[in-house]
Formats: sequence, structure tokens, C-alpha cells
Amino acid sequence: DGGITQSPKYLFRKEGQNVTLSCEQNLNHDAMYWYRQDPGQGLRLIYYSQIVNDFQKGDIAEGYSVSREKKESFPLTVTSAQKNPTAFYLCASSRQGVNQPQHFGDGTRLSIL
Amino acid sequence: GESVGLHLPTLSVQEGDNSIINCAYSNSASDYFIWYKQESGKGPQFIIDIRSNMDKRQGQRVTVLLNKTVKHLSLQIAATQPGDSAVYFCAEKGIYNQGGKLIFGQGTELSVKP
Repeated sequence: DGGITQSPKYLFRKEGQNVTLSCEQNLNHDAMYWYRQDPGQGLRLIYYSQIVNDFQKGDIAEGYSVSREKKESFPLTVTSAQKNPTAFYLCASSRQGVNQPQHFGDGTRLSIL
Repeated sequence: GESVGLHLPTLSVQEGDNSIINCAYSNSASDYFIWYKQESGKGPQFIIDIRSNMDKRQGQRVTVLLNKTVKHLSLQIAATQPGDSAVYFCAEKGIYNQGGKLIFGQGTELSVKP
């Protein structure tokens, strides 16, 4: 089945540690996105990529980094510079072009140890 | 310090009734809108979308209405079922928005009573 796979489902970070969240899609979508969701709130955009080897900062990129070496994969690293990393992280993808809906994975919940 | 989560607006309906979930969007230049359903512990699921050149669009048991004059979007769910219980988000995309970036609303929690 085509879809977006995020792993792990739960992740714990120690002080000063970088952690990487995985996002893989087999929908052949060009564009991929990372969002952060805090309790009782909507989604906020961290980074997005419209094509391989290119990505742009979203609204809350500080303390995060990404790479896009393959079309299928868009990993997100939460660095030690992100002082409030506890959140639900959602990856999405969409077709290239105007007015295409984004489709989401089932998220990774990150907590601080 | 730790941020406090906001309390979501909540809509409670009886099973079998129709539900109407409302959303006020911010940008008069937005040209594309999407409704998503999010169940607990899962990612948002696409329900229906609408472009700004339309006022209404229907799907299976759902209808989206767009009023550009007052920047208002609504999602109507017919014959609401217990499986419809979830948080519903509207999202908008601006006409000058590069990269297909979406802006999400806070969400509304729908609770269906059997």
C-alpha cells in the first residue's frame, strides 16, 4: 500500500543530544514537509522540500535540520539547540503543482528524558 | 517554562444528527482550503478540499462551504457517526504562497454521543 511511514512512533531525547526522525514515502510525491504539533494546537511548519537536494525553512526552523538526498526520504534532526523539543512531529508529502493536498504520516512523539 | 496547551473548541452531537464545524481563515488572498480529520495519536487525514473559485463542494457524507466575503469555511457532516469523533482542522494556502505551504487552524474537537 502507498503511504507515508514515520519512525519511531515514540522517541526520547537526553539533554544535549541530537535525535533524527525518519520519514519515508512511496507515493512518488515530489514535495515533503515537517510539522510540529503541540497539545491542543494546530500544526506549525518546520521545513519543507519541493525537490531532491533542495529545502526551505518554515515558520519554526530554529533548532532543527533536514536533508533531502532521495525523493522518498526526508529525515528531520532535532538538535540540542531546540530547547523545547517535546511535541508530536508530523511528516507530509504532496504532488508538485498548484493546490495539491498534503498527506500525512502517523507521527513521532518526542519527549525529553 | 512549559507551554500550556489550549483548550480546543468542542462540538458535541447526537449520533445520526448533522454536524457543522466552522473555521475563520485569516488571509483574503488564500485560494485553496482543506479539511483534515485527526484521531488521537494519528496523523491528519485528508477529508475534502475546495478552491477559491467555488462556493461549495460535496463528498461522501461531507460538504464544504466557502464564504469569501466573510472569510469563513465550514464542514458539514451528514448523519454523524461515532467513528466521526476526532479533531477537525481547516488549512489554507495563500495565492502567493510558494511551496504549497499550508496554514492550519487550531482545530475543533467533535464528540459524537451514541
